[in-house]
Amino acid sequence: GENVEQHPSTLSVQEGDSAVIKCTYSDSASNYFPWYKQELGKRPQLIIDIRSNVGEKKDQRIAVTLNKTAKHFSLHITETQPEDSAVYFCAASRPLQKLVFGTGTRLLVSP
Amino acid sequence: DTGVSQDPRHKITKRGQNVTFRCDPISEHNRLYWYRQTLGQGPEFLTYFQNEAQLEKSRLLSDRFSAERPKGSFSTLEIQRTEQGDSAMYLCASSPRDSNTEAFFGQGTRLTVV
Repeated sequence: GENVEQHPSTLSVQEGDSAVIKCTYSDSASNYFPWYKQELGKRPQLIIDIRSNVGEKKDQRIAVTLNKTAKHFSLHITETQPEDSAVYFCAASRPLQKLVFGTGTRLLVSP
Repeated sequence: DTGVSQDPRHKITKRGQNVTFRCDPISEHNRLYWYRQTLGQGPEFLTYFQNEAQLEKSRLLSDRFSAERPKGSFSTLEIQRTEQGDSAMYLCASSPRDSNTEAFFGQGTRLTVV
């Protein structure tokens, strides 16, 4: 089955810096790769996703890149702000199948 | 609120008791998922329904766990003879009919087994 690895487990940056979180997946049939943000005590919420037919997607300060050959995808957050502090999860899934999540990255943005 | 709703939000139970959680997905979402999340970990898949059919169940799920979605709308997750290791956040998510779109999560039910 699918296995998703995520690094780093914690990431501390200064406000205004960029943050990059990386994930690798094992199942070459996976074609959907969302990123979720989870604040303490709250539900995971989708912040951006990418499908296997594109290599990059951007939404304001957030971007995701996908390398299908290497089976890895990354989340890039530019101009980080304190409100970006949260736990971020990557996930992967086959068409119409369950999401398999990474172990999460705790991002701390210091003012 | 038209999002995914879960009930109860919190449940404290004694070891050995049975508990049941309910999930109401977003209307017309035909796919419904149950996940379990422990502190510091990502959501772990438990089971998945498409309409009323339970299509997949995690191998990690013991026989004490059972889930239903009798009319293809709300779902229930029951844990029998609870153990302390069952303490976790139980998350429900739903997705629409289309292929690979966002899974919308409920706020979860936090179970504490004492």
